[in-house]
Amino acid sequence: EPEVTQTPSHQVTQMGQEVILRCVPISNHLYFYWYRQILGQKVEFLVSFYNNEISEKSEIFDDQFSVERPDGSNFTLKIRSTKLEDSAMYFCASRAPGDHGYTFGSGTRLTVV
Amino acid sequence: GENVEQHPSTLSVQEGDSAVIKCTYSDSASNYFPWYKQELGKRPQLIIDIRSNVGEKKDQRIAVTLNKTAKHFSLHITETQPEDSAVYFCAASGDNQGGKLIFGQGTELSVKP
Repeated sequence: EPEVTQTPSHQVTQMGQEVILRCVPISNHLYFYWYRQILGQKVEFLVSFYNNEISEKSEIFDDQFSVERPDGSNFTLKIRSTKLEDSAMYFCASRAPGDHGYTFGSGTRLTVV
Repeated sequence: GENVEQHPSTLSVQEGDSAVIKCTYSDSASNYFPWYKQELGKRPQLIIDIRSNVGEKKDQRIAVTLNKTAKHFSLHITETQPEDSAVYFCAASGDNQGGKLIFGQGTELSVKP
């Protein structure tokens, strides 16, 4: 079964540093998403991406965040200057056109110290 | 925007009993309602979903009901087993929302042997 792959599985970074979280969506999917989940809380929408541009973003997705699809396979989330409150599990997801069903990646646990 | 409320936050049942988790949503344009099971440290796994053109869907021990008029939907698990213990999230999305999922707060289900 096709999978969404995320790397790294765990990243520890110093406050103020930049981090890049990487995702490889399923190859025939066209809609890509990032969600985050702070420990013990619900999954929160960050951003959706379609046709090489952001289609929607939440209030969480401020100027410190950016997304990019640098080639035909990777989808990245960059946090420019990390804060302690950015510590969370970040999930990438993708879905096919005309299909509501998501495939989530296994997540990247980001710890900001 | 869409808001999803989920109750209860914790639920403890005896093995073999039924469990019911309820969600309400605010946006009448939402038309897709998935349920996810999340084990500790893992990705959300889709267990069942329902679209707004049906009122009920069943898959073995799991069923989901949808009341569009009241804007609520419920997950029913029958003959619960210890391996059903996890956090369950409901979510909602619609075609006018770019496919983003808005999640409920989660229900921690504990099935005692």
